[in-house]
Amino acid sequence: DAGVTQSPTHLIKTRGQQVTLRCSPISGHKSVSWYQQVLGQGPQFIFQYYEKEERGRGNFPDRFSARQFPNYSSELNVNALLLGDSALYLCASSPAGVLSTDTQYFGPGTRLTVL
Amino acid sequence: AQKITQTQPGMFVQEKEAVTLDCTYDTSDQSYGLFWYKQPSSGEMIFLIYQGSYDEQNATEGRYSLNFQKARKSANLVISASQLGDSAMYFCAMREGSPGSFQKLVFGTGTRLLVSP
Repeated sequence: DAGVTQSPTHLIKTRGQQVTLRCSPISGHKSVSWYQQVLGQGPQFIFQYYEKEERGRGNFPDRFSARQFPNYSSELNVNALLLGDSALYLCASSPAGVLSTDTQYFGPGTRLTVL
Repeated sequence: AQKITQTQPGMFVQEKEAVTLDCTYDTSDQSYGLFWYKQPSSGEMIFLIYQGSYDEQNATEGRYSLNFQKARKSANLVISASQLGDSAMYFCAMREGSPGSFQKLVFGTGTRLLVSP
């Protein structure tokens, strides 16, 4: 079975531009979470979506937004890019995301560089 | 306050030896979960092992075991018989949120493990 897939793998943008990152969860998983990992740190939670609805949001500005589609895939959008948005963006899927035993499985990430 | 603390920025171990990676956590919840992930240089976070707060037995998955000491709030990862392919960053994470609502992972800063021949 295919794992979590993300596209693109790498992306280079300039300050002020907008970017869209994509994620397809493991088949049968209905919950998708997004994390930002800045170099040298652990991942930081951005969003969680379940059944197309936002369930939780981390401490990120409104420039960050996301959505989930009927097939449970998800997009993360970042507007007005700043240099500090340069990071590895990780998508994780889980069956539902609410059960105490749910494990989040991560994709390979999208490495975003903002110049 | 940091909720997950990994005090070892880097660890070195020889092939075939065992190594322990430290993790302490801080929570007032009675129900929580602890995870370990491996992150090779490629970037993907690979799930290794899970320990629930109510689990009485320490979790084991192949060469990985979790030394869970609830009173000390520690959840150390033990890798037995290290292999060269174990060289990577290792992250300890805790699940935050109540069962039935959304749950997110809070990660530590990671430990870089280098396995030498």
